[in-house]
Amino acid sequence: DAGVIQSPRHEVTEMGQEVTLRCKPISGHDYLFWYRQTMMRGLELLIYFNNNVPIDDSGMPEDRFSAKMPNASFSTLKIQPSEPRDSAVYFCASSLSGKSYEQYFGPGTRLTVT
Amino acid sequence: SQQGEEDPQALSIQEGENATMNCSYKTSINNLQWYRQNSGRGLVHLILIRSNEREKHSGRLRVTLDTSKKSSSLLITASRAADTASYFCAEGNAGKSTFGDGTTLTVKP
Repeated sequence: DAGVIQSPRHEVTEMGQEVTLRCKPISGHDYLFWYRQTMMRGLELLIYFNNNVPIDDSGMPEDRFSAKMPNASFSTLKIQPSEPRDSAVYFCASSLSGKSYEQYFGPGTRLTVT
Repeated sequence: SQQGEEDPQALSIQEGENATMNCSYKTSINNLQWYRQNSGRGLVHLILIRSNEREKHSGRLRVTLDTSKKSSSLLITASRAADTASYFCAEGNAGKSTFGDGTTLTVKP
């Protein structure tokens, strides 16, 4: 298996622009997590899905952030409009029911908003 | 907010020595996990210890859990330069994991 795939790996955008981050979980995994990592705040859980349904989005910072999982093999995290403080590394992770705490992380997307 | 707190924040040792990292947490947990993150990479799951377990081993890794003190420790024995990374504990509860700030380990060859 190729592991969790994220795209793009790097994104540089200007303030106010829409940003879409993409994630393909490991085939067969039914949990998907989105995290954000910064030096100041560490690794924060933004939202997680189980069987494509959002379970907990309490970590989503504000309405500018939205996440979808239209099917078991694809998820997006959208920021609209983006702001410089959104600059961070965004990770997607997936796991399997029964071992849901054993998460497999993707390589991350490094987002820079200027 | 991050609940797990690792101690020390940074640790530097010589190859062959043992490395011990500690994690404290504040809430009740279902389990506690340890992850490794190499620079510029995603996290890699190392080991999970359940709340009813006190000690667990995996290769050169030994994890202990003391629920009365709300603390856990990760011991890496006979460290190697390749163990250089950041190590995170994560509290597992209600289906999600809450990560600490991590310990940066440097193993000098």
